[in-house]
Amino acid sequence: AQRVTQPEKLLSVFKGAPVELKCNYSYSGSPELFWYVQYSRQRLQLLLRHISRESIKGFTADLNKGETSFHLKKPFAQEEDSAMYYCALSDGGYNKLIFGAGTRLAVHP
Amino acid sequence: DAGVIQSPRHEVTEMGQEVTLRCKPISGHNSLFWYRQTMMRGLELLIYFNNNVPIDDSGMPEDRFSAKMPNASFSTLKIQPSEPRDSAVYFCASSGGPALYEQYFGPGTRLTVT
Repeated sequence: AQRVTQPEKLLSVFKGAPVELKCNYSYSGSPELFWYVQYSRQRLQLLLRHISRESIKGFTADLNKGETSFHLKKPFAQEEDSAMYYCALSDGGYNKLIFGAGTRLAVHP
Repeated sequence: DAGVIQSPRHEVTEMGQEVTLRCKPISGHNSLFWYRQTMMRGLELLIYFNNNVPIDDSGMPEDRFSAKMPNASFSTLKIQPSEPRDSAVYFCASSGGPALYEQYFGPGTRLTVT
């Protein structure tokens, strides 16, 4: 069955430190993966998708099919990066996404 | 486009009352999703529609929950009767634009049942 696993509920770092938010998936076909971000009391918004291979707000994510991972990385965390981050996998039909449980990133000054 | 619109933004009601949440998807999108978000359970998919037809409602927690999509520009999620454990933020999202799988979320409705 398709599944997205985000093993960390909370990731706490200091400003300027590198960040890596982990995401592993299980999917039988060719996955399409996304990272969504939710700032405090706001709506979820798309941060990046693997197919576009772009960097948004300094974040990047590389799809590793061998390790079935799509970890989100940023070399130098900023306080404004503090938010909830969700990894999501497309389910192949009807535009449905399967979301992970989310990881809360807390960046301290 | 104003994005996905949800109303009300906040709802406080007493246990046993009927609650109706409303959603207007982005024009041209053909898929609509209802999610519930709580601290304990995270983000849960309740039901989704494609071309106004319910595709999968297996995430709806109980018969007290029902959802409709009478046309392409409007959907409702109803809870009758409401219970305190229904307190959560309910999000609506739509997709189907050029970026096929990208879902656009509404601002959410924060429901409190006392």
